Order: sequence, then C-alpha cells, then structure tokens
Amino acid sequence: DVKVTQSSRYLVKRTGEKVFLECVQDMDHENMFWYRQDPGLGLRLIYFSYDVKMKEKGDIPEGYSVSREKKERFSLILESASTNQTSMYLCASTHRSSYNEQFFGPGTRLTVL
Amino acid sequence: KNEVEQSPQNLTAQEGEFITINCSYSVGISALHWLQQHPGGGIVSLFMLSSGKKKHGRLIATINIQEKHSSLHITASHPRDSAVYICAVRGRWYTGNQFYFGTGTSLTVIP
Repeated sequence: DVKVTQSSRYLVKRTGEKVFLECVQDMDHENMFWYRQDPGLGLRLIYFSYDVKMKEKGDIPEGYSVSREKKERFSLILESASTNQTSMYLCASTHRSSYNEQFFGPGTRLTVL
Repeated sequence: KNEVEQSPQNLTAQEGEFITINCSYSVGISALHWLQQHPGGGIVSLFMLSSGKKKHGRLIATINIQEKHSSLHITASHPRDSAVYICAVRGRWYTGNQFYFGTGTSLTVIP
C-alpha cells in the first residue's frame, strides 16, 4: 500500500541541466514537503506547500523552485543543477492537522556531475 | 542553531542489549515524532507523541514536555534494528507548523 511515491530512486545529471523531481501522494493530504538529506546535517527543508498553487520557502530554497498544480502532486525543480546539489531528496506529506504523522517517499538519490 | 539535538550520534550494541536514544528540543511543539531510516533511504514513522509514553513491541518512546526531552528505548535489541533513528518535532502554529529534525542516531546491533 504505497502512499507517497517519487519519480526516480536514482538520478544522474550534468552540471547546468534542468532537473525535475516529482512526488505523488494518494492520501488527500494538504501539506507536502521537499527535504534534502546530507551526512551530518540531517533533513533540511527546501520548500513546502499548504495547498494547491501555494508554496513557502524552507530553510534552503536557493537554487530550487517548486510547483503544485494538483493536490496530490508536488514537483521540485533544479533550474540549473550544480555539483553541490548532489544529495538525497525526500518528499513527505501530512494532513493539515498538527497532530498527524508525516509520510515519506522512498527518496531520490541525485548525483550531479 | 539546532532546534533538535540527539545523542548519541553513533551507537553500537550487542544483540540483546537495552538501547536508549535521547532527544532534546528548544521550540514549542504540537507533537514529537520518532522516525526510522534503513539503508536505502526510506523513512517510516515509529511513534508520534504529545505526552507520556507509547509502546510498540520492543520499542518504547517517552516524552517530558516540561523538560523538552524525549527518549526512544529498544529492549532486547536485534540486528534488524540497525538503522538511523531520527527525532523530529512539529512546531506550533506560530512556526508555521514546521517540522524540525535531529541529525539522527546511527545504530548498529551486532549478532
């Protein structure tokens, strides 16, 4: 019973390429999040969205943009990939209520050469 | 600044040992979560706590709201418990209900 899916598990791109990472959830959640995870730094929030067409910057939004045209889908875009964006990217979703758990996708390990 | 601090960062235990992982936080929270991440990346939620104590099998999670501290205990540890354990808190409405994460505790249980 897969609840949050991400478009790729592994991705290799070249510097300067435009990269799309897609996340889809089937739980009708209002809130969706994009994180990156790096050794020793833990999970860091890139962007989040409270509803369709709404987005808020997280802690490290530079070099990234997002799109939420449909409630179930939240896309992360790297406009011009750089080597320092090599990382594990995790998508998550949660119900609007503060008292609900967060469900994570399997992650996309992105390597930028 | 780290809103969530975990200790220890790394932990190696013999099979059968009792394990404790600690988490301290500095923000007002609506809930605290313990997450488990196995090699390969997938993260699953183990517990969500807003007060007291919860138990699931060999796992026990406690929280002390006044002291802003939580512990995750594993009884009779097993090699399949080897994973990274992450403490996360969800801030109150004035933080935008944002999640804050610890850097994780890497647990290895040796047979």
